[in-house]
Amino acid sequence: NAGVTQTPKFQVLKTGQSMTLQCAQDMNHNSMYWYRQDPGMGLRLIYYSASEGTTDKGEVPNGYNVSRLNKREFSLRLESAAPSQTSVYFCASSEYGGDYGYTFGSGTRLTVV
Amino acid sequence: GESVGLHLPTLSVQEGDNSIINCAYSNSASDYFIWYKQESGKGPQFIIDIRSNMDKRQGQRVTVLLNKTVKHLSLQIAATQPGDSAVYFCAEIRSSGNTGKLIFGQGTTLQVKP
Repeated sequence: NAGVTQTPKFQVLKTGQSMTLQCAQDMNHNSMYWYRQDPGMGLRLIYYSASEGTTDKGEVPNGYNVSRLNKREFSLRLESAAPSQTSVYFCASSEYGGDYGYTFGSGTRLTVV
Repeated sequence: GESVGLHLPTLSVQEGDNSIINCAYSNSASDYFIWYKQESGKGPQFIIDIRSNMDKRQGQRVTVLLNKTVKHLSLQIAATQPGDSAVYFCAEIRSSGNTGKLIFGQGTTLQVKP
């Protein structure tokens, strides 16, 4: 019972490099989300996908793009990484409407130098 | 703007004592709240939730209280154990179309002293 799987767990990028964070869930959830967490802060929503084929901006979308590849997978892309994007990134999924709570992945720790 | 926040960044308690972690919210239209526990290096873990048509809900060793009049909720942990040491977040579900966006507060670090 894997739940939500994120890859990679750690990544160091140089300013201007691009990369894609991968997320997959095996719970047949409709909705998926990407959050970032900065030191001493709560999680902030970057993008979300209410259902397969749809994506919407969250609180802090600038500098990111997402793709809902299929029902299982939701990727986050940084086209030109900046030091301000150094953070821990969490992917989550939930049942339709989110009423049943979210399941979170274990996070990707990204450092941009 | 609308926000979800916690009163204290750090709470230190003695093992065996009860812990109370507080949270204030500003969106009076909020109708669903969740408490999460986050251990170092891990993602948030669901603890307990409560809807606005309730003022109290109990789980195993945990109780959530909701006061809609003052827009305040709290998490009570009975007989706090070392394994309870973590960061605790309150979060609010804001409905958006056919999904619910989870909006987090900043978190309270609970330290349990042996």
